[in-house]
Amino acid sequence: AQTVTQSQPEMSVQEAETVTLSCTYDTSESNYYLFWYKQPPSRQMILVIRQEAYKQQNATENRFSVNFQKAAKSFSLKISDSQLGDTAMYFCAVSGGSNYKLTFGKGTLLTVNP
Amino acid sequence: DAGVIQSPRHEVTEMGQEVTLRCKPISGHDYLFWYRQTMMRGLELLIYFNNNVPIDDSGMPEDRFSAKMPNASFSTLKIQPSEPRDSAVYFCASSLGPGLAVEQFFGPGTRLTVL
Repeated sequence: AQTVTQSQPEMSVQEAETVTLSCTYDTSESNYYLFWYKQPPSRQMILVIRQEAYKQQNATENRFSVNFQKAAKSFSLKISDSQLGDTAMYFCAVSGGSNYKLTFGKGTLLTVNP
Repeated sequence: DAGVIQSPRHEVTEMGQEVTLRCKPISGHDYLFWYRQTMMRGLELLIYFNNNVPIDDSGMPEDRFSAKMPNASFSTLKIQPSEPRDSAVYFCASSLGPGLAVEQFFGPGTRLTVL
């Protein structure tokens, strides 16, 4: 079984500042992937970034980067130079095993203030 | 590409009625997923298909729920009879090929309210 825990139900940040969203996970699989999805008020789920568990190098996508600590089973998302359009619910997810199922955390609501 | 298309976007029905949610995956995608999102339980996978065949329906809550994929471009999720606790946002997602790293593309969701 896989579990994902996001301990911060809500966060806020000022525009142009940096914010880090936390995520811890548990899986018995040796091969798995981790994802961050964004859900803005439009409700559309959008992939932000993904990380391969066997890669030590942290993934980056423009202003978004992750801090992947495999031993600690931690996968945090850092958003640099926050923009108003980053206001959304952010979901951490893990995919592992032969069934390719995604298991999501409960989400963190991020508000970027002007 | 138009992305994953779901209809209707909103559905309000009364307890006991049959509800059918529809999904058109991205052309060429061979995996299709149905999720349910609620405040209490978050985002849960209900069922997924590969090449129109149901692979894992362990997330389907009970026999009142059924899902079909008659062809590669259409899937339905049916609830009969519906109950107030079925109120949620239902998402359909599709992906290309197998693999743990494969991105799932989500539709806009159907908000279901059962009175």
